[in-house]
Amino acid sequence: EAQVTQNPRYLITVTGKKLTVTCSQNMNHEYMSWYRQDPGLGLRQIYYSMNVEVTDKGDVPEGYKVSRKEKRNFPLILESPSPNQTSLYFCASSHKGQGAFHYGYTFGSGTRLTVV
Amino acid sequence: GQQLNQSPQSMFIQEGEDVSMNCTSSSIFNTWLWYKQEPGEGPVLLIALYKAGELTSNGRLTAQFGITRKDSFLNISASIPSDVGIYFCAGPGNSGNTPLVFGKGTRLSVIA
Repeated sequence: EAQVTQNPRYLITVTGKKLTVTCSQNMNHEYMSWYRQDPGLGLRQIYYSMNVEVTDKGDVPEGYKVSRKEKRNFPLILESPSPNQTSLYFCASSHKGQGAFHYGYTFGSGTRLTVV
Repeated sequence: GQQLNQSPQSMFIQEGEDVSMNCTSSSIFNTWLWYKQEPGEGPVLLIALYKAGELTSNGRLTAQFGITRKDSFLNISASIPSDVGIYFCAGPGNSGNTPLVFGKGTRLSVIA
């Protein structure tokens, strides 16, 4: 089944303890992206990647790191999590668009992170 | 960054009613996308639009790409309880076709 898989689904951690949320897609997509979703703020992009070893900042990159060493994986790293990073996180992927067109992302099921 | 204004923020409707929501941008888009998010899940793509004036249907859902290329509309006909969820519009941001910018969503509640 074509899908984006995130792990874990739920995570409670303490301030300052490094964590990684994994993301993997099996659709051979070039584009991958991380979003966070907060009440009243909608979906905000953290980082995105256009291909292997190519990453760029989204609208809210502070406090996050990513890497794209393989096409299928795009982990999100929180080096020193803080309570304001408590949120619902989504990984997404898509094929490369043609010109200025976008095919739309396929989203994972989400990771609910709580930082205490 | 780029912003999409989506309205209304929420809607409470009776089962069987038609629903309309819209999304506007301050700049021209070449793609408009509509997503639905159900509780506990990630957003799922409903309709993609690529041409100004384009009208596309997916079952009871119909979406239109505005002729000014700065807006889009989503209509749901004869709503049913499973239409409940949050509907998002999205489009490519300023810095190319990769980053998708999302509206803040329209939360739809259907009263049986």
